[in-house]
Amino acid sequence: ETGVTQSPTHLIKTRGQQVTLRCSSQSGHNTVSWYQQALGQGPQFIFQYYREEENGRGNFPPRFSGLQFPNYSSELNVNALELDDSALYLCASSLDGDPPLHFGNGTRLTVT
Amino acid sequence: AQRVTQPEKLLSVFKGAPVELKCNYSYSGSPELFWYVQYSRQRLQLLLRHISRESIKGFTADLNKGETSFHLKKPFAQEEDSAMYYCALSGYGGSQGNLIFGKGTKLSVKP
Repeated sequence: ETGVTQSPTHLIKTRGQQVTLRCSSQSGHNTVSWYQQALGQGPQFIFQYYREEENGRGNFPPRFSGLQFPNYSSELNVNALELDDSALYLCASSLDGDPPLHFGNGTRLTVT
Repeated sequence: AQRVTQPEKLLSVFKGAPVELKCNYSYSGSPELFWYVQYSRQRLQLLLRHISRESIKGFTADLNKGETSFHLKKPFAQEEDSAMYYCALSGYGGSQGNLIFGKGTKLSVKP
């Protein structure tokens, strides 16, 4: 049984660029949630995908978008990057829209 | 507004001492509360949720709706309990993935 894996582990981008982060869910899990964690803060909910549909969204602008694929893996896309987007992005998986059970190690995004 | 407050940024206790990590919440409906833990160099993981009423690794947490609290307790702390602990609340919008996290409390258990 494999856990949640995220790629890349670190990323440096320039303001205005676009970025795609990837997540493979725990084996058998059909739900993926994405969180942004700024330094010294708790994770903040971005959105959740369940059976390839968005199943809830937090207070993030539309330039944050996502996808879930038939194998339940997921992508987080961020357009027009801003300096404040610098954070750790966490992906978590679960079953049937439930709260996250297993988190990935995260992708550390730095926007300069 | 829905909010989770963990008033202590850092809590330091000696091994064998009781430990209580505080969590207060603000929510207009019937919340579901969780505790997540992150050990050093490991990923964030679910410790317990109030509806399961389990004791995990000796930790328990009781939901007190009158005081809007969900404090995490353990009678005898162990060094391996040293970690970052996050209290979380679900959730508006119909999606249980809408967890609202507190800022976390770092627990340090000294020998």
